[in-house]
Parts: sequence; C-alpha cells; structure tokens
Amino acid sequence: KAGVTQTPRYLIKTRGQQVTLSCSPISGHRSVSWYQQTPGQGLQFLFEYFSETQRNKGNFPGRFSGRQFSNSRSEMNVSTLELGDSALYLCASSLGSGTIEQYFGPGTRLTVT
Amino acid sequence: GEDVEQSLFLSVREGDSSVINCTYTDSSSTYLYWYKQEPGAGLQLLTYIFSNMDMKQDQRLTVLLNKKDKHLSLRIADTQTGDSAIYFCAETLPSGGSYIPTFGRGTSLIVHP
Repeated sequence: KAGVTQTPRYLIKTRGQQVTLSCSPISGHRSVSWYQQTPGQGLQFLFEYFSETQRNKGNFPGRFSGRQFSNSRSEMNVSTLELGDSALYLCASSLGSGTIEQYFGPGTRLTVT
Repeated sequence: GEDVEQSLFLSVREGDSSVINCTYTDSSSTYLYWYKQEPGAGLQLLTYIFSNMDMKQDQRLTVLLNKKDKHLSLRIADTQTGDSAIYFCAETLPSGGSYIPTFGRGTSLIVHP
C-alpha cells in the first residue's frame, strides 16, 4: 500500500505570494492533518480534516487555510507569504478522526525569499 | 515555556542502550507518542502508550510512563547506527473527536561506533 504522498517536495516563493500544497493520504484513510515544522517553533499542529470537514484547527493566522476533497486528498493554502512561513510542512493521514495512529508524508519544504 | 520538554542531544556508543527522556505538563493527556525523524523525511511513529499504562515493550523499544511526575522515557536496547535520528515525544489531548498532539522539540540521537 502506498504511503502518504506530498507534492511538491520543494518550493521557493517570494514574500506576498500565495502557495498551495497537496497531500494524498494512504488509501482508505479519511483523516488528514497538517503540521508546520520550523527550527524556531518546532512541530506545530495546523489543522485536521475528516470527511471534507475541518475538525480541529491550531493557533495559526487566517492566512493558513485548507480543504479536503471527497477522495480524502487535502490541500493547504498559505496566502500573503511571509519570511517566517519558511518551513517543512508535513501531512499525516489516519483511518478516521480519533484514530490513534497517524502516518506522515515526507513533507514539502517551503522557502520564502 | 514548552509544553513538552526534551533534552536536545544524546550521544551513545553502538551496542549500548539509549534512554531518551521527556516531560509533559497536561495530566489530561490521553496518549503519549514517540516518533522518529530521519534527515529529509517525515515522522515515523515508533510506539505509543495509553495514559493508564506504566510500561510498554515493543522489540528493542521500551516506553516507561510516570504519570505522577509527568515523565515519559524511551529506551532503545542495543542501539545501532541506523537509530541515529531525531526522536520526538508528543502528548495528545482529545479535541472534537480527535487527539491533537503537542510535540517536544526533539532529541538528536547520535550513535557512534
């Protein structure tokens, strides 16, 4: 069974631009969570989607948004990029909301210049 | 301060045991996790322990939980060079039918011959 895939793996953007990252969960998994990893703040929870609905949201500004499609694939969007948004964005999938085991993708490395 | 605290580095000799420690702050934590992250990769779930357990063993891994002191540890027996990675502990709190993790900053384990 294929693991969690994230595209693109690397991305360079300029301040003020917007970006969309994609995550395809493991087949059969219906829950997708997003995390931001930076050297300064560590790993932080962004949001969780289950059955196309946002179930939980972390403490991030409204510039960070996401959605989930009927096939469980998820996208996250960051608008008006700031230098501080440079990070590794990780996606994780699980069978359902409330499932204990999450499986992480390799991440998308975003660099904002 | 940090919700979940870990020491930043641990250096061990190949074949020795490694013990990575973690303290958390929320006594309502339901599950406590250990993840491994290798360079350029996402997080790999190593093991987890439910808050009503004291110990869990899984092959070379032993997790000890001291709820009174809010202390979690991961022992890796017969540490190998392939175990060199960053290890994250995470506490989870129930939220909206899910479990939202709060991660520590990670402990870099260096295994030398």
